[in-house]
Amino acid sequence: DAKTTQPNSMESNEEEPVHLPCNHSTISGTDYIHWYRQLPSQGPEYVIHGLTSNVNNRMASLAIAEDRKSSTLILHRATLRDAAVYYCILRDGRTSYGKLTFGQGTILTVHP
Amino acid sequence: DSGVTQTPKHLITATGQRVTLRCSPRSGDLSVYWYQQSLDQGLQFLIQYYNGEERAKGNILERFSAQQFPDLHSELNLSSLELGDSALYFCASSATGLSYNEQFFGPGTRLTVL
Repeated sequence: DAKTTQPNSMESNEEEPVHLPCNHSTISGTDYIHWYRQLPSQGPEYVIHGLTSNVNNRMASLAIAEDRKSSTLILHRATLRDAAVYYCILRDGRTSYGKLTFGQGTILTVHP
Repeated sequence: DSGVTQTPKHLITATGQRVTLRCSPRSGDLSVYWYQQSLDQGLQFLIQYYNGEERAKGNILERFSAQQFPDLHSELNLSSLELGDSALYFCASSATGLSYNEQFFGPGTRLTVL
């Protein structure tokens, strides 16, 4: 699986936007970029995914660089409930299985 | 609530014992995944089933086995337990086994081996 690199931790204030970066310089053309997050004492939760174009959903936006070697998860207005570990994961679209390979992720702290 | 249920929530047992963890996927989901989360190894994929058949294997020990039943629920069996098997075990499900499908995770089973 292609590797991703994320900062160990980031901090934000409540109601401010948060930009969580992810580098994936060895991404292949068939790799989807997925983001999951894990709130304290809970299982991971799907956030968003994309292939080439920017994506928006009710939780977040995903901005993908034109060369696809990096991406940014954008939380438009952070809340205390967004404090979690955020994982950026690449998944090969050619495979017929769908395991997730989790790295260390970014610990997001949100201050009131 | 993801719609994935796992039982039991907590399990405390002794070394050398055998336990069974149970997972019920979301209604309609055909694929089930098992993951292990420990402090030193992070979240690791163990095994995937799709519609009753094993689809992919990850870092699953030989002492561990799993199956998916005709009603699509899955069980993870852990035997000859060691202290190092203490971890959170998560089950996830997805509509198909394909890599672009999102996975829905259960609340996990916390296993403590004494």
